[in-house]
Amino acid sequence: TQLLEQSPQFLSIQEGENLTVYCNSSSVFSSLQWYRQEPGEGPVLLVTVVTGGEVKKLKRLTFQFGDARKDSSLHITAAQPGDTGLYLCAGDSGNTGKLIFGQGTTLQVKP
Amino acid sequence: NAGVTQTPKFQVLKTGQSMTLQCAQDMNHNSMYWYRQDPGMGLRLIYYSASEGTTDKGEVPNGYNVSRLNKREFSLRLESAAPSQTSVYFCASGWEAFFGQGTRLTVV
Repeated sequence: TQLLEQSPQFLSIQEGENLTVYCNSSSVFSSLQWYRQEPGEGPVLLVTVVTGGEVKKLKRLTFQFGDARKDSSLHITAAQPGDTGLYLCAGDSGNTGKLIFGQGTTLQVKP
Repeated sequence: NAGVTQTPKFQVLKTGQSMTLQCAQDMNHNSMYWYRQDPGMGLRLIYYSASEGTTDKGEVPNGYNVSRLNKREFSLRLESAAPSQTSVYFCASGWEAFFGQGTRLTVV
């Protein structure tokens, strides 16, 4: 069974701080996606990474896919209260769209 | 707005009752998915449909059935609801999944 382990599960920081969320697996994924979910809403796709070693930037968010395509990280620079939410990583092993999700990281950014 | 529409948004069932969750997408995606989300467990795939006319089991299919009615619609049926099926259900479409807003189901 493929598993994705996310860490940390909870993170509470002050506005302006930096943070990193990790997503690790013993399995290889053909692609990995990061989602952000707000209470009462469905997850919203932030980014898809498909190439080992790939780095993508989305404003203050930096996403990296591990060289072996087994792990990924999300780094947020100068976090803002608007970044508060649940961050989910999800891996696709066969380009089918059948996603294996991590447990999620709940981020709270205090003003 | 374009996207994935789920109905109903909330539902309370008694144990043993049946119901169908509806999902429709207007993005012309071939693939559609049903997930459930439980605290501390992320989202788990129940069933998926790679294209119109095909369906297949995901990670947690027991107690559920699905129908891919046409390219737009993918429904999830609970034949005899159980308290363990209390969850938030999400429909999604496309390889880079677009999610609906979810159905919050409570089985008492």
